Amino acid sequence: SYELTQPPSVSVSPGQTATITCSGDKLDEKYIYWYQQKPGQSPLLIIYQDNKRPSEIPERFSGSNSGSTATLTISGTQTLDEADYYCQASLGGVVFGGGTRLTVL
Amino acid sequence: QVTLRESGPALVRPTETLTLTCSFSGFSLTAAGMSVSWIRQPPGKALGWLALIDWDGDKEYRTSLKTRLTISTDTSANQVVLTMTNMDPLDTATYYCARTVGATRSNNYFDTWGQGTLVTVSS
Repeated sequence: SYELTQPPSVSVSPGQTATITCSGDKLDEKYIYWYQQKPGQSPLLIIYQDNKRPSEIPERFSGSNSGSTATLTISGTQTLDEADYYCQASLGGVVFGGGTRLTVL
Repeated sequence: QVTLRESGPALVRPTETLTLTCSFSGFSLTAAGMSVSWIRQPPGKALGWLALIDWDGDKEYRTSLKTRLTISTDTSANQVVLTMTNMDPLDTATYYCARTVGATRSNNYFDTWGQGTLVTVSS
């Protein structure tokens, strides 16, 4: 079965750029989606179709997808961005990555 | 405004059947390209997709759970129901329903989620 691999954790200082990766076989042949989940909350869609942002999502969130790796980039990271981030692909069924906990300190 | 709300038992016994209902508003499941999915998340663990049902009645299931899952819809009541048989303590999780968009199976994603309902499986 298809798998998406994310680093378990990423740390960043406030104001710096955070990079979260999502790896999978021939990933650039698929669309990748990203969700943010804060403790006790439901996931929130932040990136769709590799690099598009829903209108309510701040511009500091961006996405890319090339080769076997998709990347979520958070520019000027804020403390409120501290959360779990999940990548997702759709290939008949739906697959999620294992999630990355972003710590801002 | 699109909203979804999950309802069902908070506690089920091992081997029992779980029935969850997703009540939604703000969109129609009969609209072309629209779907509703169920996703679960064990405590402290990652999200796991379970099943989806399309506007035209087509269904997809997670391969590893396919024999235990049934998804159905009552379009007149704006509800989607998920049943999962032979529940096990490992099925303890928060269960979410989510509006699923994307015109093809290679383009499905979740733009609106319910608040989730925690189901504990224990004797």
